Amino acid sequence: GDSVTQMEGPVTLSEEAFLTINCTYTATGYPSLFWYVQYPGEGLQLLLKATKADDKGSNKGFEATYRKETTSFHLEKGSVQVSDSAVYFCALFSSYNTDKLIFGTGTRLQVFP
Amino acid sequence: EAQVTQNPRYLITVTGKKLTVTCSQNMNHEYMSWYRQDPGLGLRQIYYSMNVEVTDKGDVPEGYKVSRKEKRNFPLILESPSPNQTSLYFCASSFTGRGNEKLFFGSGTQLSVL
Repeated sequence: GDSVTQMEGPVTLSEEAFLTINCTYTATGYPSLFWYVQYPGEGLQLLLKATKADDKGSNKGFEATYRKETTSFHLEKGSVQVSDSAVYFCALFSSYNTDKLIFGTGTRLQVFP
Repeated sequence: EAQVTQNPRYLITVTGKKLTVTCSQNMNHEYMSWYRQDPGLGLRQIYYSMNVEVTDKGDVPEGYKVSRKEKRNFPLILESPSPNQTSLYFCASSFTGRGNEKLFFGSGTQLSVL
C-alpha cells in the first residue's frame, strides 16, 4: 500500500545551519505531497505542498521539490532559526488507493542558539 | 477565527471509565477525522466522517466510537478505556476530505489511562 518514510530524528542544528529532512514515498499513480509542521503544544499545520512532478512547494523559507524519479520530497531550509524547532511530518494523498492523507512518522528538529 | 476546538486538553482517567473527547469546527467543513499520535508511529487515523450521519473506520478503530449528528461536531468516545489508549489525540477537518485540501487540526488532547 501507499506509504511515507521519513528520516529518524531528532535532527539537532545550530541556528543559521542548513536543514534537510528526507522523505521518500511509495504510491500508486500520482500522489500529492505535503509537509505539515507541529510546534510544541499545538496541532499540525500545513507548511507546503506539491501536486505534480517537479513542482516546488515553498513557505516561510522552507522548500521541497516533488521528485518522481527518486520518489522523494525532501524538506530544506537554508538558515534555520530557534523558532523552527518542531516536529515535521511528510504526507501523501493518493486518490488511487485509500483516498486519505497518509503521514510519515515525523522528524523532530531542535535548533540551538 | 477559523478553528478546530478540542476539549479537554489533558485528561487522566482509569481503566474502564467511559469518556468523551469533544471536537468542534466553525468552518462548515464536511469532512472530519480523528487521529492518534504515538512515538515512532506518527499519526494514525481512528475514524473519519465525510458528512453528517456518515462515519467510517480508519486504520485503528478498535476501542473507539464516533458520531456525527451535526456538521460542526465530531466527538470521540471511549466506552471502556484501556492503558494502550494512552496517547495524544487530534481532531482534524477539511472542506470535503478529498484532493489537495488542507487539513485543519485541533490543538490535541493528551489522554492518560491508568
